[in-house]
Amino acid sequence: DQQVKQNSPSLSVQEGRISILNCDYTNSMFDYFLWYKKYPAEGPTFLISISSIKDKNEDGRFTVFLNKSAKHLSLHIVPSQPGDSAVYFCAAGGTSYGKLTFGQGTILTVHP
Amino acid sequence: EAQVTQNPRYLITVTGKKLTVTCSQNMNHEYMSWYRQDPGLGLRQIYYSMNVEVTDKGDVPEGYKVSRKEKRNFPLILESPSPNQTSLYFCASRPRGGRPEQYFGPGTRLTVT
Repeated sequence: DQQVKQNSPSLSVQEGRISILNCDYTNSMFDYFLWYKKYPAEGPTFLISISSIKDKNEDGRFTVFLNKSAKHLSLHIVPSQPGDSAVYFCAAGGTSYGKLTFGQGTILTVHP
Repeated sequence: EAQVTQNPRYLITVTGKKLTVTCSQNMNHEYMSWYRQDPGLGLRQIYYSMNVEVTDKGDVPEGYKVSRKEKRNFPLILESPSPNQTSLYFCASRPRGGRPEQYFGPGTRLTVT
């Protein structure tokens, strides 16, 4: 049972445009949501997170939106840069336990 | 430098030959976890540890063992590896309390033939 799903395996965007990555979840017990970025031959690195009590969190070019009623979150990257090309994982968890549940990942390619 | 280290980074082995992948963190984190990454499946948790001598199963624990005798180390043991354990493995850690973001090691690419 995939509790966190990223339904788009890949996304291709032109440099300077907006990248929107999407993620859906099913478990209402999750109270924290995160995005990780992964380059080849490296471990995932934390990008941005959002608590379930918020609906938006912004950090520079990255903004995460949470729609609890739809159980949906999205990551917006504006403007997109070629260095943003990587695999993006969404993850969900709770502050009271050590487990993160990850989605399948979306490969983002930003073309110059 | 604060980091999570894993060794080895690459390993090719044969079915049934016991192996251990080491994981160490220098951030004094209480929580440590092991994940495996497979195409189309994302990262799935194998085992996690809330503190020394406290471990619990994740989503895919079959065929794996762990131990947490010291706070900084969390080795992953495959007693009798099989080809379906060919995967990319990541160790991660985080401090107790606060936000749940975890810090990941660089990964271990394991091939079992």
